[in-house]
Amino acid sequence: AQSVTQLGSHVSVSEGALVLLRCNYSSSVPPYLFWYVQYPNQGLQLLLKYTSAATLVKGINGFEAEFKKSETSFHLTKPSAHMSDAAEYFCAVGSGGGADGLTFGKGTHLIIQP
Amino acid sequence: EAEVAQSPRYKITEKSQAVAFWCDPISGHATLYWYRQILGQGPELLVQFQDESVVDDSQLPKDRFSAERLKGVDSTLKIQPAELGDSAMYLCASSPPRGGGRPGTGELFFGEGSRLTVL
Repeated sequence: AQSVTQLGSHVSVSEGALVLLRCNYSSSVPPYLFWYVQYPNQGLQLLLKYTSAATLVKGINGFEAEFKKSETSFHLTKPSAHMSDAAEYFCAVGSGGGADGLTFGKGTHLIIQP
Repeated sequence: EAEVAQSPRYKITEKSQAVAFWCDPISGHATLYWYRQILGQGPELLVQFQDESVVDDSQLPKDRFSAERLKGVDSTLKIQPAELGDSAMYLCASSPPRGGGRPGTGELFFGEGSRLTVL
């Protein structure tokens, strides 16, 4: 069984400040990990993915995440927040193979203060 | 860029009525998923198809929900009768097939969703 825990349902940062969204996973097999972003009334868009290659993964819009097996974590960061980053962010875990559904966390709402 | 198409984008219905959602995945994607996302929560898998066959429908409320993918391409999700608690965003996603001995990355490509409001 797989599960994802996202710490903090809401995170608020000032424009230009560091963004840190936390994700911890549980998986009985080597995990494939994903971060998706969702804007209001839209579907989910892939930000980045970890698929057992490099542990530091770079994604779109300046986001990156680091896979830490010892901590079972896959936290999402961005050095400098922009107003356009305000959205809902979801961490997800899969077992890979392209034929298995993903298990999503409950999401973190990112608020950017001007 | 190829996209997953869903319709309708928005649906308002009264409880006890029937409602249907349609999804057309990215061409060549053998696996299709329907997720339900209640406001303020993460998506939860309802049903997964591999071509025209159901792979996982363990979380589908089968007394009122049904899903089909008759020709292994587009899919329909139906609710009959709708209940107040069914108000949610219904997301369709697809993923490319494994092939050439290489494992897929498990990435899902999502449509824009169908938002259902049951009154």
